[in-house]
Amino acid sequence: AQSVTQLGSHVSVSEGALVLLRCNYSSSVPPYLFWYVQYPNQGLQLLLKYTTGATLVKGINGFEAEFKKSETSFHLTKPSAHMSDAAEYFCAVSGGSNYKLTFGKGTLLTVNP
Amino acid sequence: DARVTQTPRHKVTEMGQEVTMRCQPILGHNTVFWYRQTMMQGLELLAYFRNRAPLDDSGMPKDRFSAEMPDATLATLKIQPSEPRDSAVYFCASGLVDGGRYNEQFFGPGTRLTVL
Repeated sequence: AQSVTQLGSHVSVSEGALVLLRCNYSSSVPPYLFWYVQYPNQGLQLLLKYTTGATLVKGINGFEAEFKKSETSFHLTKPSAHMSDAAEYFCAVSGGSNYKLTFGKGTLLTVNP
Repeated sequence: DARVTQTPRHKVTEMGQEVTMRCQPILGHNTVFWYRQTMMQGLELLAYFRNRAPLDDSGMPKDRFSAEMPDATLATLKIQPSEPRDSAVYFCASGLVDGGRYNEQFFGPGTRLTVL
């Protein structure tokens, strides 16, 4: 069984500031980890994923995340926030052969000018 | 530009009516997922198919929900009878599982269902 906890349902940053969205997971098998972004009234778009190999993964729009097995974490970061980053972000985990995604509750990112 | 398409995008209906939502997965994808998104519960997996066969529908209320894949280009999710608590955004996603290698799920734009 898998689960995901996203710390902070709402994060507010200033434009140009560091973005840090936290995600901790639980999985009984080696996990695949994902970050998705959802803009208002749209579906989810994949930002980045970790499956195997390098633990620091880079995604689209300047985002990156680091898989830390010892901390069961997969936090999402971006060095400098842009107004267009305002959206809801979902962390998800998949494990085993079923490829089902279990999502966190989401973090709404607000970027202030 | 390959995309998952969903119809209708919006649906308003009255309690007790049948609702059918349709999804066209990306051509060549062999796995289709149905999710429901609500403010209270977030994103929940309802059911998923591999090569048109249902693999897991444990997230779906069996008495009123049904999901099918009549062919490789169409997945349907039906609610009969609908209830106000079914009001949500329903997403379809498709992906390719190829020889054990996992690829990402691509999401459609969703169907926003309101049951009055």
